[in-house]
Amino acid sequence: DAGVTQSPTHLIKTRGQQVTLRCSPKSGHDTVSWYQQALGQGPQFIFQYYEEEERQRGNFPDRFSGHQFPNYSSELNVNALLLGDSALYLCASSLFEGGNTGELFFGEGSRLTVL
Amino acid sequence: ILNVEQSPQSLHVQEGDSTNFTCSFPSSNFYALHWYRWETAKSPEALFVMTLNGDEKKKGRISATLNTKEGYSYLYIKGSQPEDSATYLCAFSTDSWGKLQFGAGTQVVVTP
Repeated sequence: DAGVTQSPTHLIKTRGQQVTLRCSPKSGHDTVSWYQQALGQGPQFIFQYYEEEERQRGNFPDRFSGHQFPNYSSELNVNALLLGDSALYLCASSLFEGGNTGELFFGEGSRLTVL
Repeated sequence: ILNVEQSPQSLHVQEGDSTNFTCSFPSSNFYALHWYRWETAKSPEALFVMTLNGDEKKKGRISATLNTKEGYSYLYIKGSQPEDSATYLCAFSTDSWGKLQFGAGTQVVVTP
């Protein structure tokens, strides 16, 4: 049973460019959340997708957008990259069952460096 | 407390010793408290999800307690082993949808 997979693992972009990160959830999971972890900080919630719609959003600008596909996989897009967007981006999947979300299962992350 | 705070930021433990550390979180609008272990070059792994005041959970040598009225949780490691070396993250949620607010973590280094 494959866990959460993310791609790419590392990438380097320059300011102003756009980036797309991809995530495949754990088999059987229907909810995908994205987190940003900057150096020295805990992961910060970006947004969450359920049934192909953005269900919740954290305090991130509209440059951050996402999508969930019918197979529950997800993409995170960041436009007009800034130096401050350099971070580890974590995808987490979970199952929304009985009106409740349990533990999150995380991927290993995509390390984005913006030069 | 408005954010999730973890202390200490890091600690060094001798193999065989026991240790504990703290997670503080807002006591209002509590729904759940999560603990994750994050080893270097791996993905964060869930240890516990706790929802009830006074709850205590245990997994092997690791256990956790929860006080939702005063807004804190303790994580205990008994008889620390080198494989316990990791960053331990706690996270707090205010609803059932699983949006988590994380602390910055406690980095534990266990030396033989």
